[in-house]
Amino acid sequence: DSGVTQTPKHLITATGQRVTLRCSPRSGDLSVYWYQQSLDQGLQFLIQYYNGEERAKGNILERFSAQQFPDLHSELNLSSLELGDSALYFCASSSQGDTQYFGPGTRLTVL
Amino acid sequence: GEDVEQSLFLSVREGDSSVINCTYTDSSSTYLYWYKQEPGAGLQLLTYIFSNMDMKQDQRLTVLLNKKDKHLSLRIADTQTGDSAIYFCAEKDGSGNTGKLIFGQGTTLQVKP
Repeated sequence: DSGVTQTPKHLITATGQRVTLRCSPRSGDLSVYWYQQSLDQGLQFLIQYYNGEERAKGNILERFSAQQFPDLHSELNLSSLELGDSALYFCASSSQGDTQYFGPGTRLTVL
Repeated sequence: GEDVEQSLFLSVREGDSSVINCTYTDSSSTYLYWYKQEPGAGLQLLTYIFSNMDMKQDQRLTVLLNKKDKHLSLRIADTQTGDSAIYFCAEKDGSGNTGKLIFGQGTTLQVKP
């Protein structure tokens, strides 16, 4: 158990819908990262937050957004969902940008 | 741009050693990592190596880093069936002040009894 929690574990929704994925980092970790794992793209970095502020952006679509709250948990919002957004979404956390510990992931299926 | 490459599949017999190889392109990477993913599970950190090291050993795991050739390997001694999983090599983005990880495609390790 890495200490990073993610909810929900599974999410099934329809095209055009909006969903929110939640992540709680390890106690004391200020950085939260979001990654997407899909069969065709592999593991791709989406976005990083540090202590509530956006720190880095990767291959994140404009339909996707994220935020980190004062209690350091983070949410990833995915809107206008398409079939191609079906993937495993991982959250990771670290303290001061070093070793990242990953959560169990949220499997999103868009029908 | 940054890129990390791994072979896709490795099959070994139980008790043998496994060697998983990885090449990367970002010479400014400070840390390189190995993660393990079992079916239906998340990414488990196995080990990491700092870029100024050549080797790191941790129980059955040995990581070798050839910085000149930008080549990283993970050796698993006495491989067990429980080691069957996908192994990802990752480099920490050396540019800027982010912790972004760039992952390889993953190597599926099959351990035959």
